[in-house]
Amino acid sequence: AQSVTQLDSQVPVFEEAPVELRCNYSSSVSVYLFWYVQYPNQGLQLLLKYLSGSTLVESINGFEAEFNKSQTSFHLRKPSVHISDTAEYFCAVSDPGGSQGNLIFGKGTKLSVKP
Amino acid sequence: DTGVSQDPRHKITKRGQNVTFRCDPISEHNRLYWYRQTLGQGPEFLTYFQNEAQLEKSRLLSDRFSAERPKGSFSTLEIQRTEQGDSAMYLCASSLDGRPGGYTFGSGTRLTVV
Repeated sequence: AQSVTQLDSQVPVFEEAPVELRCNYSSSVSVYLFWYVQYPNQGLQLLLKYLSGSTLVESINGFEAEFNKSQTSFHLRKPSVHISDTAEYFCAVSDPGGSQGNLIFGKGTKLSVKP
Repeated sequence: DTGVSQDPRHKITKRGQNVTFRCDPISEHNRLYWYRQTLGQGPEFLTYFQNEAQLEKSRLLSDRFSAERPKGSFSTLEIQRTEQGDSAMYLCASSLDGRPGGYTFGSGTRLTVV
């Protein structure tokens, strides 16, 4: 069974500093990879996704993630964070050839941006 | 369309009682998913529907849990004889044909069993 590991449960960072949230997945077969963000008292929102093609994917609010097949990683980065980026971030994986309903999530990383 | 709606937002119940949650998906979405999120964990898959058919159930979905989507629109998740371990956030999501990254999540129902 596939699994997703988010190595850091909490990441405190100062405003305008760079940040990297780490994600590793277990499967070596083809996968789809996602980052979701959850703001307090809200549902999960898709931040970005890797399905195929370019290994570097970007979101509209400055986040990017790079798919690294050899390291089975999909780390999320932002060069300069804002207070409004404070939220919990979840990495997720799905198997294109497997269960159609099963999106597997990591345990999440709480990003706390301090002024 | 206002997205995926879940009702209630919060539910406190006594151990042993039955509870039912409702999810209204995006109207044109034919797939509906239920996930459970406990403290410190990511969401865990429970079950999903394509239209009115329940196509997959996780082993997490014990016999006390039942989900329905009678007309292929809204769905209900019922937990019978609640236990303290059922305390969690129950998330609903919908998508069109299960397109990757096409899930829209609701804000969830937080269940507390006392």
